[in-house]
Amino acid sequence: EAQVTQNPRYLITVTGKKLTVTCSQNMNHEYMSWYRQDPGLGLRQIYYSMNVEVTDKGDVPEGYKVSRKEKRNFPLILESPSPNQTSLYFCASSLSNSGSRDEQFFGPGTRLTVL
Amino acid sequence: AQTVTQSQPEMSVQEAETVTLSCTYDTSESDYYLFWYKQPPSRQMILVIRQEAYKQQNATENRFSVNFQKAAKSFSLKISDSQLGDAAMYFCAYRRGFGNEKLTFGTGTRLTIIP
Repeated sequence: EAQVTQNPRYLITVTGKKLTVTCSQNMNHEYMSWYRQDPGLGLRQIYYSMNVEVTDKGDVPEGYKVSRKEKRNFPLILESPSPNQTSLYFCASSLSNSGSRDEQFFGPGTRLTVL
Repeated sequence: AQTVTQSQPEMSVQEAETVTLSCTYDTSESDYYLFWYKQPPSRQMILVIRQEAYKQQNATENRFSVNFQKAAKSFSLKISDSQLGDAAMYFCAYRRGFGNEKLTFGTGTRLTIIP
């Protein structure tokens, strides 16, 4: 089944404790992206990757890191989480980075709470 | 920068009736795509319908159709014969036609279906 998976689905942590949210897709997609969803703000892009070893900042990158060592994986790293990073996080992927009409597939979301 | 505005935080409709959700956007580009996503209580992001800016014909997917007014930068979603399963948060989104495939989202409209 073609899908985007994220782990964990739920996470409660404390300020300053490094964490990684994994994202994996099995569709051989070139483009991958992370979004955070906050009430009243919709979804905002954190980071994106056009292909392996090619990443760039989105609209709200502060406090986050990413890597793209393999095509299928795009982990989101919070080196020192803070309470303002409490949010719902989505990973998404699409086939190409050519600006086509390809559909962007979303993962199931990760609910993160930072105490 | 592109912006997407959904001015109706909440809407409700009687089952089997028709409802229209509003969306306006701002862009200086001529090549772009517009989307409506549905987010049910499961939090999964589900693509409902998409519209290419270069197409004058309004997109339709079964009970879902859009009214795309390019000059007015308006992109409303009409749901006909509303069903209980349509209850969800609906997000309007914009994507430029090239480069970073970032989706710029509105703040969402929560749709309630009244039995």
